[in-house]
Amino acid sequence: GAVVSQHPSWVICKSGTSVKIECRSLDFQATTMFWYRQFPKQSLMLMATSNEGSKATYEQGVEKDKFLINHASLTLSTLTVTSAHPEDSSFYICSGDSTEAFFGQGTRLTVV
Amino acid sequence: GESVGLHLPTLSVQEGDNSIINCAYSNSASDYFIWYKQESGKGPQFIIDIRSNMDKRQGQRVTVLLNKTVKHLSLQIAATQPGDSAVYFCAASLQAAGNKLTFGGGTRVLVKP
Repeated sequence: GAVVSQHPSWVICKSGTSVKIECRSLDFQATTMFWYRQFPKQSLMLMATSNEGSKATYEQGVEKDKFLINHASLTLSTLTVTSAHPEDSSFYICSGDSTEAFFGQGTRLTVV
Repeated sequence: GESVGLHLPTLSVQEGDNSIINCAYSNSASDYFIWYKQESGKGPQFIIDIRSNMDKRQGQRVTVLLNKTVKHLSLQIAATQPGDSAVYFCAASLQAAGNKLTFGGGTRVLVKP
């Protein structure tokens, strides 16, 4: 149970463009989902908590206007990286708010 | 705030031997702990968890030990196999604050044939 599907698995975009990443809960209703970022050879760092039907809660140092989160339904949360720059290149991972916190397969973003 | 760290960044182990990965956490209020395995280019995969009211939990070939006195937990992998080669993370949470996890730095396990 608690399967989370993330799409796309990888994306390359030009600097200045925006990229949307989707996170779907396949077999449970997710009122809350979490978005993490992972730089190469580093651990996962929580970016924000996505709340269904309300505003996301961002961790300190994460720009809410740059990383737009939308959680309009109980099965879908999206993260949009706006005006992407090379330093935003990273591995973005979402998880559901289940006890065991099952994770999506991640999205490798490369900004060129 | 919460921080979780690991003692060894890389662990090389002979196939068939047992592996032990250690992790320290800072927030004594943390009450739920998870070990994850992450292979290259993939999201973390749940291995085993333990709650603070326990000090040991066993799964298939894995055992997690929790020492709340010194805020330390470990993951033991029995009879390590080549497929166990990956990066292992511990994570901690305070369940009253939701399932928001704080991750340790990760240990890479390399299994030698």
